Amino acid sequence: NAGVTQTPKFQVLKTGQSMTLQCAQDMNHNSMYWYRQDPGMGLRLIYYSASEGTTDKGEVPNGYNVSRLNKREFSLRLESAAPSQTSVYFCASSETLDRAYEQYFGPGTRLTVT
Amino acid sequence: KQEVTQIPAALSVPEGENLVLNCSFTDSAIYNLQWFRQDPGKGLTSLLLIQSSQREQTSGRLNASLDKSSGRSTLYIAASQPGDSATYLCAVENGGSYIPTFGRGTSLIVHP
Repeated sequence: NAGVTQTPKFQVLKTGQSMTLQCAQDMNHNSMYWYRQDPGMGLRLIYYSASEGTTDKGEVPNGYNVSRLNKREFSLRLESAAPSQTSVYFCASSETLDRAYEQYFGPGTRLTVT
Repeated sequence: KQEVTQIPAALSVPEGENLVLNCSFTDSAIYNLQWFRQDPGKGLTSLLLIQSSQREQTSGRLNASLDKSSGRSTLYIAASQPGDSATYLCAVENGGSYIPTFGRGTSLIVHP
């Protein structure tokens, strides 16, 4: 049981480049989330997916798109990376949205945009 | 909009000390409050969850209390150990939204 896995672990992009962060969970959870964590800041929700086939904006969605590919996988795409998107990105999942307090987190992706 | 504040931002203590981490929130209409631990380079691990109807929760050397009316929670760590060194985050789940609001965390170093 791997839990929540994220790839890549580290990434450096130039301004304007695009990339997709991958997330997968093997706990048969319905809900999945993407957060960003900046130095000295708490986690801020980017997007979430309550169930397969649905996605909703969180607190800071600008500059990002998401795809809930299937029940296991939830990807985050940066179409044109900006230095302000330098951050650590965490994916999480929970059994259902109303059990969001029982989120399981992945190890994070450290992204630097130069 | 809910705001969660954690004080202090950083703490360095010698091994064996009892210590208190503080979390305050602006909107008292919460469903629950949760304390997480984050190790460097890792994701978050849940430590304690306090439902809005509860006053405290305990797990081993950890005790978390909740005072909804004053918008405060404390995490008490007894007999601290170097292995307790990590960042501790507080998160509240608000009425009307299932998504928790996180504080910025307290970075704790326990030195031998």
